[in-house]
Amino acid sequence: GQQLNQSPQSMFIQEGEDVSMNCTSSSIFNTWLWYKQEPGEGPVLLIALYKAGELTSNGRLTAQFGITRKDSFLNISASIPSDVGIYFCAGLNSGGSNYKLTFGKGTLLTVNP
Amino acid sequence: KAGVTQTPRYLIKTRGQQVTLSCSPISGHRSVSWYQQTPGQGLQFLFEYFSETQRNKGNFPGRFSGRQFSNSRSEMNVSTLELGDSALYLCASSLGYTDEQFFGPGTRLTVL
Repeated sequence: GQQLNQSPQSMFIQEGEDVSMNCTSSSIFNTWLWYKQEPGEGPVLLIALYKAGELTSNGRLTAQFGITRKDSFLNISASIPSDVGIYFCAGLNSGGSNYKLTFGKGTLLTVNP
Repeated sequence: KAGVTQTPRYLIKTRGQQVTLSCSPISGHRSVSWYQQTPGQGLQFLFEYFSETQRNKGNFPGRFSGRQFSNSRSEMNVSTLELGDSALYLCASSLGYTDEQFFGPGTRLTVL
C-alpha cells in the first residue's frame, strides 16, 4: 500500500527559529494536506494543496506540493510556544472508490521559550 | 458551524467485550471516515462511508465494522475487544469528493 515518509520525527527548537519538515511518498497523490494535533485532540487542518507546484501560505505557515506529486514540505517561520504539537502530512487520492487519507508518522515539534 | 463531534470521549472496556462509538459530521458533509491512532502505528485508516455506503476499507480485521445513517451520522463497532485495540479512534468528515477532511476530538478507548 501507499506509504508516506515524514521527517524529521522530532524537532526541539528555540522560540523565533524557523522550522521545516517534509513528506515523501512512493506514489503520487492528488492532494496534500498538513494537520497539527495537540494532546487529547483530533488533528486540525492547517493547509491543503491541490496542484503540483502549488505554494500556499497560512499566516506563518507555508506549504508546497511537489512537482512530482510525490512530496510536500511545510515551513513554520518565527516559531512561538503555541506551535508545539505533532504535525502530520497526509496524501489524498479521491475519485471512484479510492477516497482515503494516508498519513505520515508525524513530526513532534517542541519550542523552547 | 459546529464541528465534528464524537461520543463518548473516553471509554474503558475489558477484553472480549464489544464497543460502539458514534460520530456526528459537520452539517452538510456526506462522507465520514474512521481512523485508529496508536503511538506505534500512527494514524491508520479504518473505513469510509458516503451516503450510507461503505466506499473504502482499510486493512483491519472483521471485528471492526461501521455504518452510516441517512442523516450522515456514523457509528463504528469493535467486537471481541483485544488489548491491542486500545487507541484513539478518530472520525473525520468531508463533503465527500476532492475535499479535505475535518477531524473530531476522538474517542480514547482503553481495553483492560
